[in-house]
Amino acid sequence: DIQMTQSPSSLSASVGDRVTITCRASQSISGYLNWYQHIPGKAPKLLIFTASSLQSGVPSRFSGSGSGTDFTLTISGLQPEDFATYYCQQSDSGPPTFGGGTRVDIK
Amino acid sequence: QLPLQESGPGLVKPSETLSLTCTVSGGYINSRSYYWGWIRHPPGKGLEWIGNIYYSGITYYNPSLKSRVTISVDSSKNQFSLKLSSVTAADTAVYYCARPISTPTTNWYFDLWGRGTLVTVSS
Repeated sequence: DIQMTQSPSSLSASVGDRVTITCRASQSISGYLNWYQHIPGKAPKLLIFTASSLQSGVPSRFSGSGSGTDFTLTISGLQPEDFATYYCQQSDSGPPTFGGGTRVDIK
Repeated sequence: QLPLQESGPGLVKPSETLSLTCTVSGGYINSRSYYWGWIRHPPGKGLEWIGNIYYSGITYYNPSLKSRVTISVDSSKNQFSLKLSSVTAADTAVYYCARPISTPTTNWYFDLWGRGTLVTVSS
């Protein structure tokens, strides 16, 4: 199975900050990388699919980039509702696999 | 009304079968456009894909769980279900139902999720 590694595992940030989360795949996955947001008690939410496509209804402050093995999720101007855990997931080959998550909390 | 809603027992005994149901709002469970799937999140571990089912009944399972998993669809009730047999404490997790979207690589990402339900395996 393809292993997905996220960094950092957690970070503290302030409202208005620019936040960057990295996801690395154990082998090339082309651009088949997706990002999710999870707030405890709520359903996980798809943010970005195929590396850089913004899911309908997701604010434009969220963006994704990368290809091959290295990918980035950027939040430009963190908002109070963005404090959550973020997961990457590969949809290239084998069983879909997820990163371990990055928790974003308030500084 | 939530688009996807999991239901089922929150406590299962070791060696028994875990059974969960996901109710799909909107009546489109029979749509040829959609798969339906299950994902779980054990405490302290990462998210794990369990399997998907197409409206026609074709199933796709994680090889690590394949021998114990059955996913089925009941379109008359707008529901799909998960059965996981011979459970152990390692199967304790929050179980999510989700809607997979297929990719050109015959793989999936998940554009809609339920809130999840905690299932504890304990005697």
